[in-house]
Amino acid sequence: GAVVSQHPSWVICKSGTSVKIECRSLDFQATTMFWYRQFPKQSLMLMATSNEGSKATYEQGVEKDKFLINHASLTLSTLTVTSAHPEDSSFYICSSLGVIRNTEAFFGQGTRLTVV
Amino acid sequence: DAKTTQPTSMDCAEGRAANLPCNHSTISGNEYVYWYRQIHSQGPQYIIHGLKNNETNEMASLIITEDRKSSTLILPHATLRDTAVYYCIVGNPHQGAQKLVFGQGTRLTINP
Repeated sequence: GAVVSQHPSWVICKSGTSVKIECRSLDFQATTMFWYRQFPKQSLMLMATSNEGSKATYEQGVEKDKFLINHASLTLSTLTVTSAHPEDSSFYICSSLGVIRNTEAFFGQGTRLTVV
Repeated sequence: DAKTTQPTSMDCAEGRAANLPCNHSTISGNEYVYWYRQIHSQGPQYIIHGLKNNETNEMASLIITEDRKSSTLILPHATLRDTAVYYCIVGNPHQGAQKLVFGQGTRLTINP
């Protein structure tokens, strides 16, 4: 099956710094990827839709200047958390649709971000 | 907003069948029912999906009621590794790149 690889698995950073999370589709081309955030004991919340070669579409309440998304190729989307604060500490997950049937999504392993 | 409702938690004995219900009373005619699960600190994993017919794969079976307003995911012989949060989601795959909206899911605990 299709594989989506996310890196890093976990990261600790200081307040005010920026962190980049990568999401790669390993055996298929992904024109669209999705970024989610998950706080402890809560469900996944969609942050934005990443489109290859164009601007990302952000969900209501998500600051586009704080969560920069770049989808420059068909196999890589990146999420950069800029000027991170402790409240940005969360589990970030990317996903992409299966290209064969376009009916199921494949998720990355997730990145646990801790801002200290 | 999620279009589905699920029980918050369920318990099941190892080796028994786990039956997870989901209500989706506002589902439209061209929307499918998808099930995903999330094991602690991992990304969600696809399990199965269906439109109106019952479906079965190597992981589970999906039973959809005739009026399509509810469905049940069946794990026929639950193991400890099936302990996870199970999400029932509805969506239309033919509307291009669809967003998956997750509800709270059901936290399934398999007991030895």
